Amino acid sequence: AQSVAQPEDQVNVAEGNPLTVKCTYSVSGNPYLFWYVQYPNRGLQFLLKYITGDNLVKGSYGFEAEFNKSQTSFHLKKPSALVSDSALYFCAVRDGYGGATNKLIFGTGTLLAVQP
Amino acid sequence: DAGVTQSPTHLIKTRGQQVTLRCSPKSGHDTVSWYQQALGQGPQFIFQYYEEEERQRGNFPDRFSGHQFPNYSSELNVNALLLGDSALYLCASSLNGQGSNQPQHFGDGTRLSIL
Repeated sequence: AQSVAQPEDQVNVAEGNPLTVKCTYSVSGNPYLFWYVQYPNRGLQFLLKYITGDNLVKGSYGFEAEFNKSQTSFHLKKPSALVSDSALYFCAVRDGYGGATNKLIFGTGTLLAVQP
Repeated sequence: DAGVTQSPTHLIKTRGQQVTLRCSPKSGHDTVSWYQQALGQGPQFIFQYYEEEERQRGNFPDRFSGHQFPNYSSELNVNALLLGDSALYLCASSLNGQGSNQPQHFGDGTRLSIL
């Protein structure tokens, strides 16, 4: 079965420092991977995706993610954290058995807290 | 460019009641998916509608049903509400035919509380 795991419930980082939010995946076939961010009382906003090609994917708001096939990981990164980056981050994989659908399977989320 | 809109934003019901949640997809999108996000959890796929038909369903009971209208908007209906149905219900839209690797666009959700 397709799945993603986010091993950290919370990540704390000081403003201006680099941040990493971890995600590992388990899929059959080629992985289609996504990162979304959720601010309080809001829906999910798309940040970036990996389908194929370069292992380093650049997305919105200065975020990027590194795809590592050998480690089955897709960690989210940002060189310099902002207080406004504080939010809940979700890693997701497209369900390879979904046929024509683009059903997403989400991790449990990681709360990012950036201290001023 | 209107994004995904959901109504109502909040709803309080009691056990055993029925509820209808509504969603209008992002302009130009024709496919609507519904997700349930329980407190402290990631969203869980309920079902997806395309061409007014349910195309795929997640692991949810038949108490959860839906509908898609010719204008692509959608409703989620839940019957015989249980306390465990309390959650944020998210609607997501996309355009079929662009490939299943396209990101879904989410609305802000309906917060359903069951008393």
